[in-house]
Amino acid sequence: ETGVTQTPRHLVMGMTNKKSLKCEQHLGHNAMYWYKQSAKKPLELMFVYSLEERVENNSVPSRFSPECPNSSHLFLHLHTLQPEDSALYLCASSQDSDSPLHFGNGTRLTVT
Amino acid sequence: QKEVEQDPGPLSVPEGAIVSLNCTYSNSAFQYFMWYRQYSRKGPELLMYTYSSGNKEDGRFTAQVDKSSKYISLFIRDSQPSDSATYLCAMAGNSGNTPLVFGKGTRLSVIA
Repeated sequence: ETGVTQTPRHLVMGMTNKKSLKCEQHLGHNAMYWYKQSAKKPLELMFVYSLEERVENNSVPSRFSPECPNSSHLFLHLHTLQPEDSALYLCASSQDSDSPLHFGNGTRLTVT
Repeated sequence: QKEVEQDPGPLSVPEGAIVSLNCTYSNSAFQYFMWYRQYSRKGPELLMYTYSSGNKEDGRFTAQVDKSSKYISLFIRDSQPSDSATYLCAMAGNSGNTPLVFGKGTRLSVIA
């Protein structure tokens, strides 16, 4: 149990589908993050929420839409994705911006 | 020049060997340096966290930072098959943990 739980573990979706990724942290942290991990590329930061306010959006395409209803939950809503969006999507949390990240085990997304 | 360079490997060593994993970086503002370990089908987990230059030891693991050369290393002594994983270096500037800049990761196999 990592303290950060992501569901689903695997997701296959067509380019016209709408789906959502869910993340829940049980650590009492104040910041949550979405990262994208593709083969042979560094981890890419997508979104940062601190105390439920979005503080960073690294020019991610609008087909990815985050939602942070409270400090324990984070969603990533997906619609009209492209095959190149296939990747491992990792959620992370930290106590604050000065603290190390704790990652979930990710959702392996395949866009067909 | 990429901000963080890390040889992706794969690196294969016999059990009991000393392993040296390295990253170089170009941004002299980086002050915080981390090593994450990622097992297959899992999220990254924090292994070592250091500030500025010097060494930090934790069991069989030693993290070394040389800011003058912009070079960081992770040494694993008496390597075990259970150390087989991908090792990611990460670094940040100022006092904040974000945005972390990650290396691509080095895939390590320790052969029994």
